[in-house]
Amino acid sequence: AQTVTQSQPEMSVQEAETVTLSCTYDTSESDYYLFWYKQPPSRQMILVIRQEAYKQQNATENRFSVNFQKAAKSFSLKISDSQLGDAAMYFCAYRGPQGGSEKLVFGKGTKLTVNP
Amino acid sequence: EPEVTQTPSHQVTQMGQEVILRCVPISNHLYFYWYRQILGQKVEFLVSFYNNEISEKSEIFDDQFSVERPDGSNFTLKIRSTKLEDSAMYFCASSELRGLGMNFFGQGTRLTVV
Repeated sequence: AQTVTQSQPEMSVQEAETVTLSCTYDTSESDYYLFWYKQPPSRQMILVIRQEAYKQQNATENRFSVNFQKAAKSFSLKISDSQLGDAAMYFCAYRGPQGGSEKLVFGKGTKLTVNP
Repeated sequence: EPEVTQTPSHQVTQMGQEVILRCVPISNHLYFYWYRQILGQKVEFLVSFYNNEISEKSEIFDDQFSVERPDGSNFTLKIRSTKLEDSAMYFCASSELRGLGMNFFGQGTRLTVV
């Protein structure tokens, strides 16, 4: 079964600085999708960024980017120019290939604190 | 911007009672999901639903649970005879296309069983 591991229960960053959240996963598939979701105190799950495993280029969304290392099964999230509104729980998630299971498998999350 | 809407935001129920959690997915989406998050724990998949039938369910989704799309817009999760351990945040999600994994989540319903 696929597993997702987030080894950092909590992280903190100074406003305007850069922080990297770690995620590793385990799968025997060669094609799959990886995601980072943000869960602010309001508890809604917000999609931050998505990466298709077949793409070598790392995904980027404004201040958010990923470092996808397929061989190492690593998928870290980098937040640049951190803002107070970035404070939230961040969940890494895995989804298998098209035609297979549709479920998202989540890590346990990393709580990010942004200090002013 | 379209969004997934869940009601109620918080529900308190007596142990043994039935509850129905409601969700209005994004209108052109075809795939629907329920996830659960027990306080302090990871988000867990419960069930996926497509073309008016369950397409996948987890081991958590036992006979106590059922899902329905009664009127073409709402998507409901029914929990019969609630237990204390059913207390959790329940998230509805929807997706336009299978395979892209673009699950859009609702804001969640906090279920408290007392």
